[in-house]
Amino acid sequence: QVHLQESGPGLVKTSGTLSLTCTVSGDSVSSNWWSWVRQPPKKGLEWIGEIYHSGTTYCDPSLKSRVTISVDKSKNQFSLILTSVTAADTAVYYCARHLGIARTRGFDIWGQGTMVTVSS
Amino acid sequence: EIVLTQSPGTLSLSPGEGATLSCRASQSVSDNYLAWYQQKPGQAPRLLIYNAVSRATGIPDRFSGSGSGTDFTLTISRLEPEDFADYYCQRYGTSAPRYSFGQGTRLEIK
Repeated sequence: QVHLQESGPGLVKTSGTLSLTCTVSGDSVSSNWWSWVRQPPKKGLEWIGEIYHSGTTYCDPSLKSRVTISVDKSKNQFSLILTSVTAADTAVYYCARHLGIARTRGFDIWGQGTMVTVSS
Repeated sequence: EIVLTQSPGTLSLSPGEGATLSCRASQSVSDNYLAWYQQKPGQAPRLLIYNAVSRATGIPDRFSGSGSGTDFTLTISRLEPEDFADYYCQRYGTSAPRYSFGQGTRLEIK
């Protein structure tokens, strides 16, 4: 059974850096594409970016200048770094697995999500 | 950038009734690369439909997807109590942003 688990600080200071890790069990990060998605309180889903085990990444243009996504195959993890955060970055952050290598079928496995609050 | 608009914003129905949720794209969605998700309060989204019409593993056959180009529909026949939730459509494309979501439809018990 595939399981994703997000981890990282629940509180980040304004203008600081948000750093989250997704630990994958039951699958290999080398097998597929992986994404980060966030959901501000009482709002909809926002795609942040994706990564392949080769290190190839794509990010939403609105976040691209502040986002770094990386993969650690030795730990079977992938990570998200978001710099210069503001209150608008307060959200539940999810990591997710793409269904199939083609990346055209949506995200079939999600982590439980982790709430990150940005505050001074 | 392709924008997905879902309607209605809220749909109030009773168990046993059928539901029709719409997702309209501002431009044609490449190869009908459109997915639907269900999200219940406090839970992660759950993939229901991919490639507009294919049910994901374990999804009951009362959920069906249809449409092409710019107009897509999620149909739920014979609503069960556990079907009342938020629903999102999502597209994939080769131009940025590669993925985008609709704003969601809330399906509530009447």
